[in-house]
Amino acid sequence: DTGVSQNPRHKITKRGQNVTFRCDPISEHNRLYWYRQTLGQGPEFLTYFQNEAQLEKSRLLSDRFSAERPKGSFSTLEIQRTEQGDSAMYLCASSSPGQTGEQYFGPGTRLTVT
Amino acid sequence: AQSVTQPDIHITVSEGASLELRCNYSYGATPYLFWYVQSPGQGLQLLLKYFSGDTLVQGIKGFEAEFKRSQSSFNLRKPSVHWSDAAEYFCAVTGGFKTIFGAGTRLFVKA
Repeated sequence: DTGVSQNPRHKITKRGQNVTFRCDPISEHNRLYWYRQTLGQGPEFLTYFQNEAQLEKSRLLSDRFSAERPKGSFSTLEIQRTEQGDSAMYLCASSSPGQTGEQYFGPGTRLTVT
Repeated sequence: AQSVTQPDIHITVSEGASLELRCNYSYGATPYLFWYVQSPGQGLQLLLKYFSGDTLVQGIKGFEAEFKRSQSSFNLRKPSVHWSDAAEYFCAVTGGFKTIFGAGTRLFVKA
C-alpha cells in the first residue's frame, strides 16, 4: 500500500497562468475526492469521482476549474487563468466502496499564485 | 444543511494532562462522524469514526470520542497527551458523497 500521492507538492505560478495537479489514489480505491484547504480552515469539498464518473461538484468549483479521471485511476485538477484567491492547498483523497466516508488523504499540492 | 463547528481555534495542554476537543454538528439524518489529525507537512490521517452502535468509539494513538445525539456532539478525548500529539484536529460529518469538515482545532503541548 503506497498511499495516495500528489504531484507536484508545491507550485508557484503567475496570475493568469494555467496549472494542473495530479493525484494517484490507492490502487484498489474506486472513489476519489478533491478538496481545497486555506490557512486556518478545514478542507472544503470540491468534487467526487466514482471510477471515471464525476458524480458531484461543489459550487466552489467555478468554470475555471476542471477535474478528470479518464480511466478511473489517477485524476487531474486543472485551474485555468489562475487568480490570487486560488492560492491554497489542494488535497486529494480516495476510498473504497466498503468504507463510507473513510478517506485516505494525500500530502497535498500547495499552490501559490503571485 | 450539514455543518460542523469546532468552537476552539486552539488549545494548549501540558504533557501528561487530559484533553478534550469539542465538535458540534448539524445533520438531518444519522450522521457518519470522523476525527482526522493533520501534522505539519502531512496529509490528514483518520483517528476514529462513528457510524452506529456503541456511542463511545476508540481510535488510534489512544484517542476516543463519544457521540451524543441529544447534544449533537462528537467530542474527542485522550487521557494523557504526549508532545507528539501537537497537531491540528478536524471533526467531519459525511452525508452521501460529500464530507464537511470543521475549521479545526490546533493543539499545542507544553512540557
